[in-house]
Amino acid sequence: LAKTTQPISMDSYEGQEVNITCSHNNIATNDYITWYQQFPSQGPRFIIQGYKTKVTNEVASLFIPADRKSSTLSLPRVSLSDTAVYYCLVGGLWGGATNKLIFGTGTLLAVQP
Amino acid sequence: NAGVTQTPKFRILKIGQSMTLQCAQDMNHNYMYWYRQDPGMGLKLIYYSVGAGITDKGEVPNGYNVSRSTTEDFPLRLELAAPSQTSVYFCASSYGLEGAIGPGELFFGEGSRLTVL
Repeated sequence: LAKTTQPISMDSYEGQEVNITCSHNNIATNDYITWYQQFPSQGPRFIIQGYKTKVTNEVASLFIPADRKSSTLSLPRVSLSDTAVYYCLVGGLWGGATNKLIFGTGTLLAVQP
Repeated sequence: NAGVTQTPKFRILKIGQSMTLQCAQDMNHNYMYWYRQDPGMGLKLIYYSVGAGITDKGEVPNGYNVSRSTTEDFPLRLELAAPSQTSVYFCASSYGLEGAIGPGELFFGEGSRLTVL
């Protein structure tokens, strides 16, 4: 099971681009990388998922280098409402231990006006 | 669709009591998960299920039991409640299509806040 490591916290200002990096040195060949956002008193919410290279959707981009031992979530032009905890999750193929989708400690992003 | 529904939203238990947290999803998902989140901490996986009749332990299964008799329901049983089980419990589900190679999106319920006194 891939263990993930993220910074505990990050600070930013409104309008800036924020990059949050996650390390997963023992990621398995079949594992995908998924990022979630969590606000206080709510369940986590899916942001983006990828396997390699770059994935982009309407809210974020995910950059994964060739060795896949890390990944970076990029949030363009953050606002106050992006203040939340961001989790990196590594898991993959159905069947076997990879179904254990284990969350890391998360990164608390604080956006200042 | 209601998504993932958890009941109750709040509950106070006395030490030694037992209870069941209910979780139901109406998205026909094969995979269901129970997590707990202690104040200011991350989520810990308690149990998960890959389909009806199949369950497995997560990171912190001690003191809990689960069953999965139907695709829709995944109840979590707490036996002999202890103060250490004071937490917010989240149920989640995701697609598990045969041949799928990614975990897909986890859909979470609103959580059940449990206090053991």
